[in-house]
Amino acid sequence: EIVLTQSPDFQSVTPKEKVTITCRASQSIGSSLHWYQQKPDQSPKLLIKYASQSFSGVPSRFSGSGSGTDFTLTINSLEAEDAATYYCHQSSSLPYTFGQGTKLEIK
Amino acid sequence: EVQLVQSGAEVKKPGESLKISCKGSGYSFTSYWIGWVRQMPGKGLEWMGIIYPGDSDTRYSPSFQGQVTISADKSISTAYLQWSSLKASDTAMYYCARHVSSSWTDYWGQGTLVTVSS
Repeated sequence: EIVLTQSPDFQSVTPKEKVTITCRASQSIGSSLHWYQQKPDQSPKLLIKYASQSFSGVPSRFSGSGSGTDFTLTINSLEAEDAATYYCHQSSSLPYTFGQGTKLEIK
Repeated sequence: EVQLVQSGAEVKKPGESLKISCKGSGYSFTSYWIGWVRQMPGKGLEWMGIIYPGDSDTRYSPSFQGQVTISADKSISTAYLQWSSLKASDTAMYYCARHVSSSWTDYWGQGTLVTVSS
């Protein structure tokens, strides 16, 4: 089973700040890495697919990069509405897995 | 409009059985894999398994194999997650999600909260 490890687990940030969340896979997964945002009491929503492809309707301040084992989600100019938990997810091999999540708090 | 609509919240006792559902609409239900994800209270997302309603091909995470059964009825565009004997540790929110190319997920159900308590 591929283990995804995110860092940090928690980050407190101010609006307009740039945020970087990393996801490391226990083995190479190519570009089969996707990012989701989950706000309290809501279902997760896809932000980025295949490491760097923005999903339809997602604000341009969200971007992704990486391949192999190391991936990054970047949020440029953070907004208050970005307070949420962010998860990476791999679909390279079964069983699919999620990272443990990174909670962003807006100061 | 693509929608996945899940069945309502359940309160059960340990040892009881349960089957929750996820009804797809607005797309060809038999052409996309449907996955199930568990989220225990205050915790992260856990991938449970996936089914292709077109032929009922099903794959499980080893963590959930033998603990739950995933099925689908393509005639009514509905996927299911069922337990034969619930435990208190099954208390969680359960989400279904549509997988594109058996990969990323683009649409999620609203979640079904299952509470198991004596």
